[in-house]
Amino acid sequence: GQNIDQPTEMTATEGAIVQINCTYQTSGFNGLFWYQQHAGEAPTFLSYNVLDGLEEKGRFSSFLSRSKGYSYLLLKELQMKDSASYLCAVRDGDYKLSFGAGTTVTVRA
Amino acid sequence: TAGITQAPTSQILAAGRSMTLRCTQDMRHNAMYWYRQDLGLGLRLIHYSNTAGTTGKGEVPDGYSVSRANTDDFPLTLASAVPSQTSVYFCASSEAGDTDTQYFGPGTRLTVL
Repeated sequence: GQNIDQPTEMTATEGAIVQINCTYQTSGFNGLFWYQQHAGEAPTFLSYNVLDGLEEKGRFSSFLSRSKGYSYLLLKELQMKDSASYLCAVRDGDYKLSFGAGTTVTVRA
Repeated sequence: TAGITQAPTSQILAAGRSMTLRCTQDMRHNAMYWYRQDLGLGLRLIHYSNTAGTTGKGEVPDGYSVSRANTDDFPLTLASAVPSQTSVYFCASSEAGDTDTQYFGPGTRLTVL
């Protein structure tokens, strides 16, 4: 089976930076996704990494190291609306997505 | 555009009864998926379809069946519901099965008593 680990919860202050780590061990690798999920809503796509390095999209950045089986999602200039769960998902050798349990981020004023 | 719609939004079902969760997408995506989301476990793939007329089993297929008669619709059927099938069910689609980002519907919250 696939093994994807991310912290359960993180708390940060409005305007600050938070880094959510994700480590994975999967049968093959064909890309890593980050999704945002607000309570009671559907996951929405944030970012995709398939090569090593940093992908930047406005206040959000995602980093991948394939050799270390490691990714992080960086949220900058935190806003209250960023309070949500962040899901790390790996596309394995069969091109199926396996998800971590998610990291709940709480932004405090 | 509507994207992906799911029905019903929520349902309470007696154990042993059958139920079909509906999923429709208007993006002409080839691939569709069904996931269940349980607290502390993340999203788990139940069944998928890479193109109309084909289906495949995911990580947790037991107790569920699917069909893909056309591109737009991908219903999920519970033939005889059990309490362990209480969950939030998400349908998703992607343009191509292998390489594209998956987009999710709003979910169906199912409670089996």
